[in-house]
Amino acid sequence: SAVISQKPSRDICQRGTSLTIQCQVDSQVTMMFWYRQQPGQSLTLIATANQGSEATYESGFVIDKFPISRPNLTFSTLTVSNMSPEDSSIYLCSGTGSEGTEAFFGQGTRLTVV
Amino acid sequence: GQNIDQPTEMTATEGAIVQINCTYQTSGFNGLFWYQQHAGEAPTFLSYNVLDGLEEKGRFSSFLSRSKGYSYLLLKELQMKDSASYLCAAKDSNYQLIWGAGTKLIIKP
Repeated sequence: SAVISQKPSRDICQRGTSLTIQCQVDSQVTMMFWYRQQPGQSLTLIATANQGSEATYESGFVIDKFPISRPNLTFSTLTVSNMSPEDSSIYLCSGTGSEGTEAFFGQGTRLTVV
Repeated sequence: GQNIDQPTEMTATEGAIVQINCTYQTSGFNGLFWYQQHAGEAPTFLSYNVLDGLEEKGRFSSFLSRSKGYSYLLLKELQMKDSASYLCAAKDSNYQLIWGAGTKLIIKP
């Protein structure tokens, strides 16, 4: 199984600023995903991070607001841009191996925008 | 559309058995996953079913019926530490995970 290190674990940010979240995997994973999770709710997929190309965004999420990079098979970043209090949430990165039988998660980033 | 249904909350007693049900409707199907998530933590993998039947792993078992679009997670010999949310997720034809809202399980002494 893969281990995903995600940082920061939490942050409190000012409205209008941007925060970049990083995920580092200890082994190569085929696919990486970024999720958002509101307290007490399920996971909402933001985008699939594609190695060396633009991420694939889900409905309601755009690249200008959530730019994503994935320069190689073990690293990805998500930036939350021009933040507002509505962006306060937990952000999770996830990876799946070549067999796709299990998704591994980073520890999550708890973001509070004030 | 794609949909995952599971109960919002369940309560059980320490030492007992509880079954958490999940029904799914997806575009294609490539497996059913169960995850455990403690408050404030990331989900952790519990089980994966892609064929019909029961998969047993210690105190936890997971069942799948593809024809019925149905799965359950069975937890035996409940312990207080099992208090958590349990997330059901189905992988669709694009190999994306479609997530249920989670079942909050409360264990009482």
